[in-house]
Amino acid sequence: DSGVTQTPKHLITATGQRVTLRCSPRSGDLSVYWYQQSLDQGLQFLIQYYNGEERAKGNILERFSAQQFPDLHSELNLSSLELGDSALYFCASSGPGLAGVEQYFGPGTRLTVT
Amino acid sequence: ILNVEQSPQSLHVQEGDSTNFTCSFPSSNFYALHWYRWETAKSPEALFVMTLNGDEKKKGRISATLNTKEGYSYLYIKGSQPEDSATYLCAFWDGGATNKLIFGTGTLLAVQP
Repeated sequence: DSGVTQTPKHLITATGQRVTLRCSPRSGDLSVYWYQQSLDQGLQFLIQYYNGEERAKGNILERFSAQQFPDLHSELNLSSLELGDSALYFCASSGPGLAGVEQYFGPGTRLTVT
Repeated sequence: ILNVEQSPQSLHVQEGDSTNFTCSFPSSNFYALHWYRWETAKSPEALFVMTLNGDEKKKGRISATLNTKEGYSYLYIKGSQPEDSATYLCAFWDGGATNKLIFGTGTLLAVQP
């Protein structure tokens, strides 16, 4: 158990809908990262927050947005969902520092868009 | 576009065999190289974070080396056990404009008892 929690574990929804994925980092970790794992691709970095502020952005679509709240939990909002958004979404957290610190991954949320 | 390449894509070995995988990454603007182990139906788990050229790290039967000048890292598993079966991911920290981890597609290891 990494100490990172994600809800829900599974989500099935229809095209055009909007969903919110939630992540709680390990106690004391200020950084939260979101990743997408599609069937035909490796882990793709979406976005990072540090202590409530956006720190880095990857290949995140405009239909997706995220935020980190004062209690440090984070939410990833996915809107106008398309079939291609079906994927496993991971949240990870880390302690102080960037490059040289390991990231702790949550169990993931599997999103299926039908 | 920065690429992180891992080889082989998959590997089948017998219990007790020793094995190694390769991770290739850009040799410029190096900040860190991460190794993660990802078991089926679980989430990636950090093995090592390596930051200095020549770094060697060890955790039990698993060890890793780093060559930042030529842009590669090796992961070694000595005396593979069935519980070592997993996908092993390496990730390069892109310290340029994006400041993010770029993951390779992994090496899938299957250890037959």
